[in-house]
Amino acid sequence: GAVVSQHPSRVICKSGTSVKIECRSLDFQATTMFWYRQFPKQSLMLMATSNEGSKATYEQGVEKDKFLINHASLTLSTLTVTSAHPEDSSFYICSAPGQGAGYTFGSGTRLTVV
Amino acid sequence: RKEVEQDPGPFNVPEGATVAFNCTYSNSASQSFFWYRQDCRKEPKLLMSVYSSGNEDGRFTAQLNRASQYISLLIRDSKLSDSATYLCVVSGGGADGLTFGKGTHLIIQP
Repeated sequence: GAVVSQHPSRVICKSGTSVKIECRSLDFQATTMFWYRQFPKQSLMLMATSNEGSKATYEQGVEKDKFLINHASLTLSTLTVTSAHPEDSSFYICSAPGQGAGYTFGSGTRLTVV
Repeated sequence: RKEVEQDPGPFNVPEGATVAFNCTYSNSASQSFFWYRQDCRKEPKLLMSVYSSGNEDGRFTAQLNRASQYISLLIRDSKLSDSATYLCVVSGGGADGLTFGKGTHLIIQP
C-alpha cells in the first residue's frame, strides 16, 4: 500500500534555530501533501497544504514566513520551522490523499524546542 | 467554520463489553467520513471509512447519518488492545485536508 516516509521522528533543537521535516511518498506520487500539527491533548490541526509546483496554501493563523513549505517534486514535501521557539514544540505530521479510502500519514515528527 | 465534535472521554470499559462513540460535524457539504485510531504519540491510522449505508469490519461498525450530521462507531467484544484514542475525521473530499475531532479516549480494563 501507499506509504509516506517522514523524517526525523524526533528532534530537539535550540530556540532560534531552524528545523526541516521531510515527507516522501513511496511507490506513489503525491501531488498534494497536508501538514498538520497536534499539541498535547488537542486534535490534529491542518496548518497548510502543499501542491507540487505551486505555492502552499496556509490555514488562517499559520505564519507562512515561519513555516516554510516546499513541494519540489511529486514525491517530496518539506516543512521548515524557522527560528523555532518553545511554543512551536509539537507533533508535526504530514498526510497525502491515498490511492484508496482515507489518507496516508507519515509517522510524525515530535519537535521539542529548548 | 469546519468543526467536528466528539466526547473526549475517557471511556473506561471492561473487556468484552460493547462501546459506542458518536461525533457530530458542522459542515453539511462534507463528503468523506472516517474513523481513525491514534495510539499515544503515534500517527493516526485509518480504522474504517464511514458510508451512509453503514459498514462493518469485524467487531467494528460505523454509521453515518447525513440528515443529523453525526457519525457513530460501535465496538463489540472489546479487547485490551482496543485502548486508544478514536478520531472522527471529516473531509470535503480530494484536495481538501481533513478536519479532525479531538478524539475519544477509550480504556479497556481487564
